[in-house]
Amino acid sequence: QKEVEQNSGPLSVPEGAIASLNCTYSDRGSQSFFWYRQYSGKSPELIMSIYSNGDKEDGRFTAQLNKASQYVSLLIRDSQPSDSATYLCAVNGGKIIFGKGTRLHILP
Amino acid sequence: EAGVAQSPRYKIIEKRQSVAFWCNPISGHATLYWYQQILGQGPKLLIQFQNNGVVDDSQLPKDRFSAERLKGVDSTLKIQPAKLEDSAVYLCASSSTGTSGRPDSYNEQFFGPGTRLTVL
Repeated sequence: QKEVEQNSGPLSVPEGAIASLNCTYSDRGSQSFFWYRQYSGKSPELIMSIYSNGDKEDGRFTAQLNKASQYVSLLIRDSQPSDSATYLCAVNGGKIIFGKGTRLHILP
Repeated sequence: EAGVAQSPRYKIIEKRQSVAFWCNPISGHATLYWYQQILGQGPKLLIQFQNNGVVDDSQLPKDRFSAERLKGVDSTLKIQPAKLEDSAVYLCASSSTGTSGRPDSYNEQFFGPGTRLTVL
């Protein structure tokens, strides 16, 4: 059974600080990794994708991938109240599997 | 570029009734996905189409769920008969085919607004 694990949270982070979200996956053959943001009552919105080991930066967001450790993370710098949402990790190893998501709460 | 369209946005039915959802993907996107998202969970893939062919329907409860994408563009998902546990948000997503040098598995999915189904 292929699995994607995330801490459900809530993760509370002060405004302006760095939020760190983590995800582990079981399928070593996974090739592509995604982070989605989902506001309450809304559909998931793609914010980052990463395919190779290392870091990928886009604005305030940095995705980090370590295939040897089967670990992918998302860093949000200068956290804003508008970043408060559930963050879904998705892993594609032929079939895309989503984690249950981590609820992030940015404290003003 | 218009996004993924879904209808209806909300549906309330009684158990044992039938219901259908419609999805129109982003123009030119060959791959279409239907997901079920239960409150507090991540989306669960029900079925994936590549053009009008089924790629993966391993998690589709085929005794009550069916889906089609006859012309390779829009798609319908049907539940008949509905059960209480089918209450969820049904999400449609689409992605383009692989571009040069990028395998299909790399493709990014874009979601529609979803249909919130309540079964009473």
